[in-house]
Amino acid sequence: DAGVIQSPRHEVTEMGQEVTLRCKPISGHNSLFWYRQTMMRGLELLIYFNNNVPIDDSGMPEDRFSAKMPNASFSTLKIQPSEPRDSAVYFCASSLVGERGRNTIYFGEGSWLTVV
Amino acid sequence: GDSVTQMEGPVTLSEEACLTINCTYTATGYPSLFWYVQYPGEGLQLLLKATKADDKGSNKGFEATYRKETTSFHLEKGSVQVSDSAVYFCALYGSGNTGKLIFGQGTTLQVKP
Repeated sequence: DAGVIQSPRHEVTEMGQEVTLRCKPISGHNSLFWYRQTMMRGLELLIYFNNNVPIDDSGMPEDRFSAKMPNASFSTLKIQPSEPRDSAVYFCASSLVGERGRNTIYFGEGSWLTVV
Repeated sequence: GDSVTQMEGPVTLSEEACLTINCTYTATGYPSLFWYVQYPGEGLQLLLKATKADDKGSNKGFEATYRKETTSFHLEKGSVQVSDSAVYFCALYGSGNTGKLIFGQGTTLQVKP
């Protein structure tokens, strides 16, 4: 089975440019997460969707960051304008949350973003 | 609120040494507990999990036992290999049925031949 698919795997962009990261969750999963990983702050949950609806976006750093999930099989994380401090690895993850509880969260391989 | 605390790294061991990475948690109720592993340049992979007290999760020679009385979920392996060098994350599901996973800060393991 295909896992969580993220693109691009690597991106180098100049400060001020718009960056769009994409994610395809595992088919049948109803929850999607965007995490950011840096050396200084470790793993941070940015936003969490359930059934395509944003449930918790308290981790989104500022208005430059936005995330959408137009359907069950696709999500984007956009940074506009980008800044050097946004350089990090961005992980998308998905899971199935249902009446029987919460199942394992599966992670994509990450999008490695460098803003110069 | 819910939280996870791991021992600080890096942990450096020789091949075939015993490994213990400590993990303690603070949570209401009975959270499910997880260990994830991140190899260099890769994403996080589930290593093992336990969903109730006294459960033991195991995989690839690693084990962790859910200890409710000490609120701990320490990761252990009897004989590490160079290929085990990675960052290990302890995690739990937060309170409620939100599906939100709370991670510890990660512990880097380096195994030398």
